[in-house]
Amino acid sequence: DGGITQSPKYLFRKEGQNVTLSCEQNLNHDAMYWYRQDPGQGLRLIYYSQIVNDFQKGDIAEGYSVSREKKESFPLTVTSAQKNPTAFYLCASLPGLAGGPHEQFFGPGTRLTVL
Amino acid sequence: EDQVTQSPEALRLQEGESSSLNCSYTVSGLRGLFWYRQDPGKGPEFLFTLYSAGEEKEKERLKATLTKKESFLHITAPKPEDSATYLCAVQASYNFNKFYFGSGTKLNVKP
Repeated sequence: DGGITQSPKYLFRKEGQNVTLSCEQNLNHDAMYWYRQDPGQGLRLIYYSQIVNDFQKGDIAEGYSVSREKKESFPLTVTSAQKNPTAFYLCASLPGLAGGPHEQFFGPGTRLTVL
Repeated sequence: EDQVTQSPEALRLQEGESSSLNCSYTVSGLRGLFWYRQDPGKGPEFLFTLYSAGEEKEKERLKATLTKKESFLHITAPKPEDSATYLCAVQASYNFNKFYFGSGTKLNVKP
């Protein structure tokens, strides 16, 4: 079955530590997104990528980094510069921007907690 | 500023008690409006896409409608399994890359 997988489901980070969240999709989608979700708030865009080897900052990119070396993969690194990283992280993909509008497909999420 | 506002923040219904959720938006030029359902600890699940005023979409007990400035998600005779957070997102016609999300309506349907 096609879909988006995120791992791990739960992640714990110590102060000063970098951690990487995995996102993989087998939908053959061009665009991929990372969102952060905090209680009572809407999804906030961290980074997005429309094509391999290219990505753009979203609204809250500070303290995060990404790479897009393969079409199927879009990992997110939460660096020690991110002072309040405890949140639910969602990865999404989109078939492309031509035609449409198209809905985003979401992964199951990773819950990151700072110890 | 582009914005999406959902109301109410929370809604408690008795099983069978119909109601509506609201999503108002201020983007200048709508490419698409999307409704999602999100269960606790899970990723959003797509429900509907609307892209022109007057459009309606239905799925089981849910019906989504769209005007020029807002969308409604009508829930007819809800069941406890309809309990979830319902998210609304808007894609602007001048920037296909970004989706603006509301903060959601948390629906609780009691048996």
